[in-house]
Amino acid sequence: DQQVKQNSPSLSVQEGRISILNCDYTNSMFDYFLWYKKYPAEGPTFLISISSIKDKNEDGRFTVFLNKSAKHLSLHIVPSQPGDSAVYFCAASDTGGFKTIFGAGTRLFVKA
Amino acid sequence: DAGITQSPRYKITETGRQVTLMCHQTWSHSYMFWYRQDLGHGLRLIYYSAAADITDKGEVPDGYVVSRSKTENFPLTLESATRSQTSVYFCASHPTGTGNNQPQHFGDGTRLSIL
Repeated sequence: DQQVKQNSPSLSVQEGRISILNCDYTNSMFDYFLWYKKYPAEGPTFLISISSIKDKNEDGRFTVFLNKSAKHLSLHIVPSQPGDSAVYFCAASDTGGFKTIFGAGTRLFVKA
Repeated sequence: DAGITQSPRYKITETGRQVTLMCHQTWSHSYMFWYRQDLGHGLRLIYYSAAADITDKGEVPDGYVVSRSKTENFPLTLESATRSQTSVYFCASHPTGTGNNQPQHFGDGTRLSIL
């Protein structure tokens, strides 16, 4: 039973356009959500996060939106750049626990 | 250099052998984690540790053993390797904080192949 789902295994976007990566979760106890970026042969690196008390968090070209009622979050990258090509993992945790649950990842291709 | 390092980066072994993957961090982070990454599954938690001498099972602990005698080291041992344990293994850490609301810092992974 996957508690965090990324239903799109891959996404291809033209350079300069918007990339939208989606993530759904099932556990209503989750109250902290993160996005990690992973390049080949490297470990994941933290990109951006959002607490459940917010519905939007922005950091430069990256914005994460949270819709608690739909148990859905999305990562927007504007404008997309070829260097953004990587695998993006959505992750979720609850304050009282010590475990983070990761989605299966979405591979983003940004074409020049 | 400060950071989290995993060794070896690549390992090939045979079924039934014991193999240990090493993880070392220089930040003195309290929490450390072991994940495996498999296609279609993302990152799955094997074991985690909240401090030295405190470890607990994650989502997929069977066939693995961990120890944490020192804060900076968190080795993962496969006592009798099986082909299903072929995977990429990532170690991670994060500092003490409220629950788990802290981004984790990951090593670059160990690619383990079991023949």
